[in-house]
Amino acid sequence: DAGVTQSPTHLIKTRGQQVTLRCSPKSGHDTVSWYQQALGQGPQFIFQYYEEEERQRGNFPDRFSGHQFPNYSSELNVNALLLGDSALYLCASSLGNFQETQYFGPGTRLLVL
Amino acid sequence: TQLLEQSPQFLSIQEGENLTVYCNSSSVFSSLQWYRQEPGEGPVLLVTVVTGGEVKKLKRLTFQFGDARKDSSLHITAAQPGDTGLYLCAGEAYSGAGSYQLTFGKGTKLSVIP
Repeated sequence: DAGVTQSPTHLIKTRGQQVTLRCSPKSGHDTVSWYQQALGQGPQFIFQYYEEEERQRGNFPDRFSGHQFPNYSSELNVNALLLGDSALYLCASSLGNFQETQYFGPGTRLLVL
Repeated sequence: TQLLEQSPQFLSIQEGENLTVYCNSSSVFSSLQWYRQEPGEGPVLLVTVVTGGEVKKLKRLTFQFGDARKDSSLHITAAQPGDTGLYLCAGEAYSGAGSYQLTFGKGTKLSVIP
């Protein structure tokens, strides 16, 4: 049973560029949440997708957008990258819109130069 | 905005010592979760506490949820080098539209020296 997978594992971009990160949820899960974890900080909630729609959003600018596909996989897009966007981006999956345990992937390490 | 304060931020102890990590907030949470994260990996859930005053034990780890559901502690007995990692607490609260949101603390970085 595959857990949450994310790609790529590492990424280097320059300021102003755009990036797309991908996440495949744990088998049987239909809800995907994205988090940003800056160095030395705890994860911060970006947004959550359920039934291919953004269900809730944290305090992140519109440069951060996402998508969920019919197979429940998800993408996180960040436009006009800033140096401060350098972080570990974590995807977590869970089941349904209830209070269920979230399982985290290993993350994508993004470095913006 | 719900904030979770974790203390201490860093902890370096000798193998065999005991330690306690604290997680405090002014907000009430429906549950509180503790995670452990190792370098290059995502957080792994250790335990979820739901009821005020609840105590859960996981081998040498003891987790407690405060009576008012605003704070929690993690106590490790006889720490081992394998306990080294970043310990994160996360409070869960209802955020509307049938969904819950996790708010994480900054974490406690534990190093256990052999």
